[in-house]
Amino acid sequence: KQEVTQIPAALSVPEGENLVLNCSFTDSAIYNLQWFRQDPGKGLTSLLLIQSSQREQTSGRLNASLDKSSGRSTLYIAASQPGDSATYLCAVNNAGNMLTFGGGTRLMVKP
Amino acid sequence: DAGVIQSPRHEVTEMGQEVTLRCKPISGHNSLFWYRQTMMRGLELLIYFNNNVPIDDSGMPEDRFSAKMPNASFSTLKIQPSEPRDSAVYFCASSEQLSNYGYTFGSGTRLTVV
Repeated sequence: KQEVTQIPAALSVPEGENLVLNCSFTDSAIYNLQWFRQDPGKGLTSLLLIQSSQREQTSGRLNASLDKSSGRSTLYIAASQPGDSATYLCAVNNAGNMLTFGGGTRLMVKP
Repeated sequence: DAGVIQSPRHEVTEMGQEVTLRCKPISGHNSLFWYRQTMMRGLELLIYFNNNVPIDDSGMPEDRFSAKMPNASFSTLKIQPSEPRDSAVYFCASSEQLSNYGYTFGSGTRLTVV
């Protein structure tokens, strides 16, 4: 059974810092991995999708990498802003097209 | 496209009552998923459909929960009878094709059972 772990569970940084969120998974036989953002009381917004054949994806200040063999993905946020404050969720899609979610990293960027 | 549409946004009901949550997936998406989110357990997959057929319902907590997808544009999740421990946010998501594409989530239904 796939298990997804996100570290750290919470992170507080001053504005402007570059930061890295980590995601690890136990079963490397994945189809893709998706990073989501969730604001308090809101739904999930897809940020980046990395296919199993890819090593990274970029969107603006966000960069996600995937190392399937080691079961790891990282989400890099450059020049963080207070508007980046949210919970970031990593989700792995493997057999049967079912997403397994990590517990999330709650990010607070202080002005 | 309006995205995945869920209704109602909020539902407060008394224990023992029947609750029905609704979802309209993105047009053209052939997979639909129901998730439940709680502080204690995070996001859990309840059931998913492919081409309107339930594929895996192993996440459905018990017989009080049932889900249907009568056509490609509509799905329901029903809880009967509801219990306080069912209080959670229920999300619906859809995807275009098995495995190779990302999910799009609805805004969720916040259910409170008192």
